[in-house]
Amino acid sequence: DAKTTQPNSMESNEEEPVHLPCNHSTISGTDYIHWYRQLPSQGPEYVIHGLTSNVNNRMASLAIAEDRKSSTLILHRATLRDAAVYYCILRLYGGSQGNLIFGKGTKLSVKP
Amino acid sequence: SQTIHQWPATLVQPVGSPLSLECTVEGTSNPNLYWYRQAAGRGLQLLFYSVGIGQISSEVPQNLSASRPQDRQFILSSKKLLLSDSGFYLCAWSVLAENTEAFFGQGTRLTVV
Repeated sequence: DAKTTQPNSMESNEEEPVHLPCNHSTISGTDYIHWYRQLPSQGPEYVIHGLTSNVNNRMASLAIAEDRKSSTLILHRATLRDAAVYYCILRLYGGSQGNLIFGKGTKLSVKP
Repeated sequence: SQTIHQWPATLVQPVGSPLSLECTVEGTSNPNLYWYRQAAGRGLQLLFYSVGIGQISSEVPQNLSASRPQDRQFILSSKKLLLSDSGFYLCAWSVLAENTEAFFGQGTRLTVV
């Protein structure tokens, strides 16, 4: 049972920024927000994660709303290789629960 | 560095035949291990996860079972495959912490005919 909501699909033009939204209104105070992406016929790969503050890494930026009920993954300049399904998931506090639940994700198409 | 091995990459099996998919992890100890299935055009469905040797949690009742005979080995099995078992099977591992990433294998594409 995924606890996040994402649009089914989005389109972007190459070299333009992309903002991928995610709603997680039932997030608990200590749940981490993780993003993964899955290229065709491959396993998912980690993109970024955060708790409260915005985060940046070489792949993307993560903007987290002040109330933590939503977040946005930002690809600063989309390339054709960024076309993938992007998953926003909550990593439940108390890792002993073990589970890592994915929703349906957002399929990002990038047009040249 | 840590790596995850999953094999075979592709598999075609007849209905009613058994299944055994193996996943091994290197470079870490006592990882959480996961099996997922992805049907064509669908999202990732968590099938099983394990927090230790011999400890298996099933997320979805089905025709499959999982075992963890060693710390870094996770096996997905079936006694008799169904057509509906076709899909892309992925193994993953992570450490026992919510602020760390999970790592996925390259997957096994299973076609039951």
